[in-house]
Amino acid sequence: EAGVAQSPRYKIIEKRQSVAFWCNPISGHATLYWYQQILGQGPKLLIQFQNNGVVDDSQLPKDRFSAERLKGVDSTLKIQPAKLEDSAVYLCASSQDVYEQYFGPGTRLTVT
Amino acid sequence: SQQGEEDPQALSIQEGENATMNCSYKTSINNLQWYRQNSGRGLVHLILIRSNEREKHSGRLRVTLDTSKKSSSLLITASRAADTASYFCATDANTGGFKTIFGAGTRLFVKA
Repeated sequence: EAGVAQSPRYKIIEKRQSVAFWCNPISGHATLYWYQQILGQGPKLLIQFQNNGVVDDSQLPKDRFSAERLKGVDSTLKIQPAKLEDSAVYLCASSQDVYEQYFGPGTRLTVT
Repeated sequence: SQQGEEDPQALSIQEGENATMNCSYKTSINNLQWYRQNSGRGLVHLILIRSNEREKHSGRLRVTLDTSKKSSSLLITASRAADTASYFCATDANTGGFKTIFGAGTRLFVKA
């Protein structure tokens, strides 16, 4: 079974620039999650999709972050414009049920 | 704010020893999960314990849950150098939904 795929693995941008991350979940997994993990902290849920509908986006900074899940499969997370404090690892996860989540390798974003 | 808080923040032991990590949470839960994150890699689901369970085993892992104290512990027996990782507890706060909230993690270092 192929795992959760994410790209790119690393990204360095300057503040005020835009960046987009892509995630391909495990086939058949209806639920997709985007997390932000700042160094030394646990993952923080940004947005959760059930198929192509948003279940929870209460911690997504909507003035600069946006996310979509095309046709209930792939998902893209965008930051525009980026701030220094957005430097973090962005993790995508998917699950078949509401319990066990399968995580991708993450995208390490550095904002300079 | 994070629902779960792990204790200790860091733990260093010799190979072969047992490692115990604790997690405390604030609100009632449906289930509690433990995840492992190796350096530079994504998170891996270890074990899930439901709110009506008190103890669960999986290989060298033993998890306990005390809902009256709102706490859980993860015991790794006969630790190996490969167990070196960060360990996170994650809870789904019983708010009517299934939003997973991670703690800040315990960093375990197993010396060979």
